[in-house]
Amino acid sequence: DIQMTQSPSSLSASVGDRVSITCRASQGVFNYLAWYQQKPGKVPKLLIYGASTLQSGVPSRFSGSRSGTDFTLTISSLQPEDVATYYCQKYNSAPITFGQGTRLEIK
Amino acid sequence: EVQLVESGGGLVQPGRTLRLSCAASGFTFDDYAMHWVRQAPGKGPEWVSGISWDSGTLGYADSVKGRFTISRDNAKRHLYLDMNSLRAEDTAFYYCAKATPLVYLGWLSPIDHWGQGTLVTVSS
Repeated sequence: DIQMTQSPSSLSASVGDRVSITCRASQGVFNYLAWYQQKPGKVPKLLIYGASTLQSGVPSRFSGSRSGTDFTLTISSLQPEDVATYYCQKYNSAPITFGQGTRLEIK
Repeated sequence: EVQLVESGGGLVQPGRTLRLSCAASGFTFDDYAMHWVRQAPGKGPEWVSGISWDSGTLGYADSVKGRFTISRDNAKRHLYLDMNSLRAEDTAFYYCAKATPLVYLGWLSPIDHWGQGTLVTVSS
């Protein structure tokens, strides 16, 4: 099975900072990679699919990119409401797999 | 508005069976693949199973393969998960989830809507 390794596991940054979270696939997943945001007590929210396509309604400060088997979620200017845990998900083949998550906090 | 309402969770002994149901509304159910995802308290989400719009293709996580069965009834707008030989490690909130419009190979997709979840606790 393809493994998804997310880094860092936690991150603390200041409001207005540019923040990046990385997800590395153990094998190629093409562009079949999504990113989710999960706030405490809530279900995950889809942010990005197809590695770089922004889901409708998601603020444009969120973006996704791919370089080979490395995928990056970037928040261009961190806002207080972005405090959450972020997960990547690969969906090119069964089993669909989530990364282990990155907890993002405000300094 | 998309609504997904799960039911059927509860406390069950190891080795027993349980059937989860999901009632869908607010979208054309038989146009979309569907998934079950679970999340143990304090842990990340774990995809469990997915099924195409016509039940023609489906898939399972290795951890549940051979024990769980996903199915759907498009006429009733319901998704199901039959869970057999339950184990303590199956304890989690189980979420019914709707696939995005773009799917790969009939059912492989991200998830754009989630239900509120139903808690399954496996314990003696």
